[in-house]
Amino acid sequence: ETAVFQTPNYHVTQVGNEVSFNCKQTLGHDTMYWYKQDSKKLLKIMFSYNNKQLIVNETVPRRFSPQSSDKAHLNLRIKSVEPEDSAVYLCASSYRGDYAEQFFGPGTRLTVL
Amino acid sequence: GDSVTQTEGLVTLTEGLPVMLNCTYQSTYSPFLFWYVQHLNEAPKLLLKSFTDNKRPEHQGFHATLHKSSSSFHLQKSSAQLSDSALYYCALSNNRIFFGDGTQLVVKP
Repeated sequence: ETAVFQTPNYHVTQVGNEVSFNCKQTLGHDTMYWYKQDSKKLLKIMFSYNNKQLIVNETVPRRFSPQSSDKAHLNLRIKSVEPEDSAVYLCASSYRGDYAEQFFGPGTRLTVL
Repeated sequence: GDSVTQTEGLVTLTEGLPVMLNCTYQSTYSPFLFWYVQHLNEAPKLLLKSFTDNKRPEHQGFHATLHKSSSSFHLQKSSAQLSDSALYYCALSNNRIFFGDGTQLVVKP
């Protein structure tokens, strides 16, 4: 099956902890993304990454960082979570190019207590 | 700067009536426009995207026309179905991607 896979599905943690989310795509795409979908369903791009370029949304706090081992994997690390980090984090992939469709994973729901 | 505006946060209508969800954009360069749909507890997925040759994209009864003169890419369907209830995002791509805030469509019997 070719798709975008994310683990875990859910994660509950306390303020100040470090968390890491995994994303893998088997679609052969060269670009991957992380999005944050908040409680109001606003979809905000956090990072886009291919093997040559990392584009960071300038509004993303520095405690967030993407980690990639190869073009099929893009993990997200949050160094010290805050309550406002509670959200669904969606991973996506596409071919590089403006016309490319993005394929989304099922998301990881983070709850920060 | 580049942006996408979806004016309606919530659209509620009765099954069988026509659907129109608004999308306007601002772009430095000539962009590609997309509509993504997200059903409850599912991931967003592509509904349709603009063509480079001014053809009108259609999918599952939905269509949208890119009007560069008015910077719009409104989503339309002639007759709403209960299964169309979902969250719809308009998106723009021109080297970077920008999503609108989304429009929740609720179709009632």
